[in-house]
Amino acid sequence: GDSVTQMEGPVTLSEEAFLTINCTYTATGYPSLFWYVQYPGEGLQLLLKATKADDKGSNKGFEATYRKETTSFHLEKGSVQVSDSAVYFCALHPNTGNQFYFGTGTSLTVIP
Amino acid sequence: NAGVTQTPKFQVLKTGQSMTLQCAQDMNHEYMSWYRQDPGMGLRLIHYSVGAGITDQGEVPNGYNVSRSTTEDFPLRLLSAAPSQTSVYFCASSYEDRHTGELFFGEGSRLTVL
Repeated sequence: GDSVTQMEGPVTLSEEAFLTINCTYTATGYPSLFWYVQYPGEGLQLLLKATKADDKGSNKGFEATYRKETTSFHLEKGSVQVSDSAVYFCALHPNTGNQFYFGTGTSLTVIP
Repeated sequence: NAGVTQTPKFQVLKTGQSMTLQCAQDMNHEYMSWYRQDPGMGLRLIHYSVGAGITDQGEVPNGYNVSRSTTEDFPLRLLSAAPSQTSVYFCASSYEDRHTGELFFGEGSRLTVL
């Protein structure tokens, strides 16, 4: 069935470090892929998305490229800030049906 | 803009009690859903609805009941609470084209069952 696997956390980085959070997926057909972010005490909010192979989603300095050949959608940011501390969820929506599938979340803490 | 509103934000129940988590959205979204978030498990879909009068089960529906009488509201009922239902619950809604759109989440309801 459809699923998302993302790297285990927690991840702790110093400010201005480079961030990569790995995400791979299993799905038939051509799913849409998403990264959601959850700040402390809040609900999830969309960070970026890509709806077809080779698309690059970007927002707030974060980027992720939809790689069909490696079934991956890794999240990257060149220089993290303390305000990026949050839990990041990779998710997919298959090309049919009504269900989204979420990864387990990766907690990021950025220290000054 | 209110978006998705969940109440209550916190609730403590005793085993066997029943309660309803409320969810309302003001974006005229057809699709609404309930997730539970547990450590190490990510978000798991409980129930969802694609419009008023239409509901369906997700991945973990047992012990929960839903109804959708209006486009705006999608309450989640716990019929007889169990400690295994201790979790954070999120309501989320979306436009009709869910394949390319995004889910809009409420702030969550933290439930503890003793």
